[in-house]
Amino acid sequence: QVQLQESGPGLVKPSETLSLTCSVSGGSVSSGNYYWSWVRQPPGKGLEWIGCIYHTGSTNYNPSPKSRVTISVDTSKNQFSLNLSSVTAADTAVYYCARVVVPTKAFDMWGQGTMVTVSS
Amino acid sequence: QSALTQPASVSGSPGQSITISCTGTSSDVGTYNLVSWYQQHPGKAPKLMIYEDTQRPSGVSNRFSGSKSGNTATLTISGLQAEDEADYYCFSYAGSTTWVFGGGTKLTVL
Repeated sequence: QVQLQESGPGLVKPSETLSLTCSVSGGSVSSGNYYWSWVRQPPGKGLEWIGCIYHTGSTNYNPSPKSRVTISVDTSKNQFSLNLSSVTAADTAVYYCARVVVPTKAFDMWGQGTMVTVSS
Repeated sequence: QSALTQPASVSGSPGQSITISCTGTSSDVGTYNLVSWYQQHPGKAPKLMIYEDTQRPSGVSNRFSGSKSGNTATLTISGLQAEDEADYYCFSYAGSTTWVFGGGTKLTVL
């Protein structure tokens, strides 16, 4: 059974870069059947797609925070990462990593989520 | 990109059926047969309930069903149970850089 696990700091200062990693077990990020995605959820609010990456390194980003977002994949470590630069309090959220089935675009597996607070 | 439109809340009594709508545009819901639905209990990660508008993953109760007409997708839950109380989100693919969730619907089981 595939499992995804987010890791990274729970507190980031304003203007700094938020960095999270998603470790994948029981499956491979090199599989051509999936995209690997990041989704966030501000406290009390809905889900927001941030972006995704294919095992080739090809990426798609939400146009909204696009200029600040970088998603990368490390096939040797079987993990993928999110960098979000110049953060503000509006970036405070639970960040989820998720697996997306390529043909259906359905998020079929999710990590448990990690809360990131932006505060000085 | 604008979020898909969902009612903020719906409610129903045990045993009843409820529907949750998800309205998009001809650029997303109306064009692609790629609407999916997610259930999220408080403090938990979302769970896939429906994909490709109407398909149910293995392990998901057949009380959950999806449909679509034009630019509006609908999630139906029949035989409502207390454990169905949760937030529900729709999602639609609308192109390589346009992946959009609905605003979410809180389901209350009375």
